[in-house]
Amino acid sequence: SQQGEEDPQALSIQEGENATMNCSYKTSINNLQWYRQNSGRGLVHLILIRSNEREKHSGRLRVTLDTSKKSSSLLITASRAADTASYFCATVGTGGGNKLTFGTGTQLKVEL
Amino acid sequence: DTAVSQTPKYLVTQMGNDKSIKCEQNLGHDTMYWYKQDSKKFLKIMFSYNNKELIINETVPNRFSPKSPDKAHLNLHINSLELGDSAVYFCASSQRQGQETQYFGPGTRLLVL
Repeated sequence: SQQGEEDPQALSIQEGENATMNCSYKTSINNLQWYRQNSGRGLVHLILIRSNEREKHSGRLRVTLDTSKKSSSLLITASRAADTASYFCATVGTGGGNKLTFGTGTQLKVEL
Repeated sequence: DTAVSQTPKYLVTQMGNDKSIKCEQNLGHDTMYWYKQDSKKFLKIMFSYNNKELIINETVPNRFSPKSPDKAHLNLHINSLELGDSAVYFCASSQRQGQETQYFGPGTRLLVL
């Protein structure tokens, strides 16, 4: 079953602006990951945050995790046209294994 | 030197046919996966293999049969294709079962007519 909902479904911003995407999930997690998918391509892993972490940074990416609210956010700062893609959150549950359960995705468009 | 490769990239076929999609990873990973992405871009895991052994089977119809001849390959065979099987199928791998980062292939776009 679907784990996460992402918000917004679509986001259009100007180059240089920040983009924030939110993800909510339903069950207890081991970790939460964000992936990017360019149109017609496979998914690329961006960042992983564990359940005992609250914030993580990687370059222009900042991820937060609030396990009490079962939510995460991905912030892309100083966006570029090349950031145009779909962004998915995915969770790994506490039940063992390494099954990724994906959210619904946010389509980001960065315009020049 | 693609890390996770899939063939074919596109597959157009008639309802009722049997088809296979191949996946290979050259990363030396132990664990491989198949995901299905529908027309609304929703991604769902189908299968996972660890060292050629099936570890996840997510209530997929038994028309779908994965086969792992060795840990670098995980192929997906689909019998009696149906219209609803039209989707993009992604293969992925991770270093080991507990290693979280997964590396995805470019996808196979299947269209059943």
